[in-house]
Amino acid sequence: AQKITQTQPGMFVQEKEAVTLDCTYDTSDPSYGLFWYKQPSSGEMIFLIYQGSYDQQNATEGRYSLNFQKARKSANLVISASQLGDSAMYFCAMTPYSGGGADGLTFGKGTHLIIQP
Amino acid sequence: NAGVTQTPKFRILKIGQSMTLQCTQDMNHNYMYWYRQDPGMGLKLIYYSVGAGITDKGEVPNGYNVSRSTTEDFPLRLELAAPSQTSVYFCASRGSLSGNTIYFGEGSWLTVV
Repeated sequence: AQKITQTQPGMFVQEKEAVTLDCTYDTSDPSYGLFWYKQPSSGEMIFLIYQGSYDQQNATEGRYSLNFQKARKSANLVISASQLGDSAMYFCAMTPYSGGGADGLTFGKGTHLIIQP
Repeated sequence: NAGVTQTPKFRILKIGQSMTLQCTQDMNHNYMYWYRQDPGMGLKLIYYSVGAGITDKGEVPNGYNVSRSTTEDFPLRLELAAPSQTSVYFCASRGSLSGNTIYFGEGSWLTVV
């Protein structure tokens, strides 16, 4: 079984500052994927970034980067130059790739990020 | 550019009533999923399907049923609704050849009173 832990229930950050959202995970699967999703107040789930367990380099997508430290089982999301529109819930999630890769995602409880002007 | 479509978006049910949440995807994806999200929590997997005719339980399947008669459709059935089933429900899909992209529907807000 997999477990995702997000230890920051809420964060307040000043606009234009960089933000790091913490995520640690636990799994016995040798191969897995890690995801970050953004959920604004409107409720939809917006995919941000993906990291495979065997990827050598940290994933980046525009202002988003994933600080992947496999030995520490952490997958922190870094948002550079935060914007007011970044205010939302952020979820870390993972899926194992054993068993054909059809397994669904296991989610953390989320971090509520508020960007202040 | 439909993607994953869920209906209805909002519904109020009385205790003991039944209903079906519809989910359709037009991307020919093999894998489909139903999640629920309780207030202040992450999503939890209810059921999933790896293809037409094949379904399996997720983490929280009690009180729900699913079917997958076609690749496109994956309805979620609530029998004898209970207040504990008040939640937001998300359908999602992923293709076996579409890499790691998981597509979510917009969610269905269900209240049981």
